[in-house]
Amino acid sequence: EAGVAQSPRYKIIEKRQSVAFWCNPISGHATLYWYQQILGQGPKLLIQFQNNGVVDDSQLPKDRFSAERLKGVDSTLKIQPAKLEDSAVYLCASSFQDRGETQYFGPGTRLLVL
Amino acid sequence: GIQVEQSPPDLILQEGANSTLRCNFSDSVNNLQWFHQNPWGQLINLFYIPSGTKQNGRLSATTVATERYSLLYISSSQTTDSGVYFCASAPYNQGGKLIFGQGTELSVKP
Repeated sequence: EAGVAQSPRYKIIEKRQSVAFWCNPISGHATLYWYQQILGQGPKLLIQFQNNGVVDDSQLPKDRFSAERLKGVDSTLKIQPAKLEDSAVYLCASSFQDRGETQYFGPGTRLLVL
Repeated sequence: GIQVEQSPPDLILQEGANSTLRCNFSDSVNNLQWFHQNPWGQLINLFYIPSGTKQNGRLSATTVATERYSLLYISSSQTTDSGVYFCASAPYNQGGKLIFGQGTELSVKP
């Protein structure tokens, strides 16, 4: 069974530029999560999708971050414009359903904003 | 919201030694997972263990949900066990999102 796929693996941009990350969850998983992990900290949830609907985006900085999962499968996370403090690893995870289920994580995208 | 606290924050072991990592959580949960984050940043699932005890090779975990803590045991540690170990839990009333602890950074010396 293929795991969670993410691309790109690394990205370096300058502040005020835009960037997009892509995630393809495990086949058949209805729930998809985007987490942000700042160096030295544990991951923090940005947004949770159940199929193509948003379940929780309470910690997403909506003035600059957006995410979509149009067909209920793969998802994109966008930052526009980027700030220095957005430098982090962006992790995508998926689970079969949304409650009490094992979450499986992708390899992450490491973003550096200069 | 729920608080997840891990101890110790850092641990240095000699190869072959045993260790116990602890995770305390402040509320009832319907998910508790242990992860190992390798040097490349990949979060590797170790255990899904909202309650009870599980074992996988040299690793085992126990969660006592009524007392709101979980323990991860590493026996006969190897240098490849080095990295950061995270505990994460999902509160009953907040959907499936995981709340992570700050991690325990383990270094196993040859």
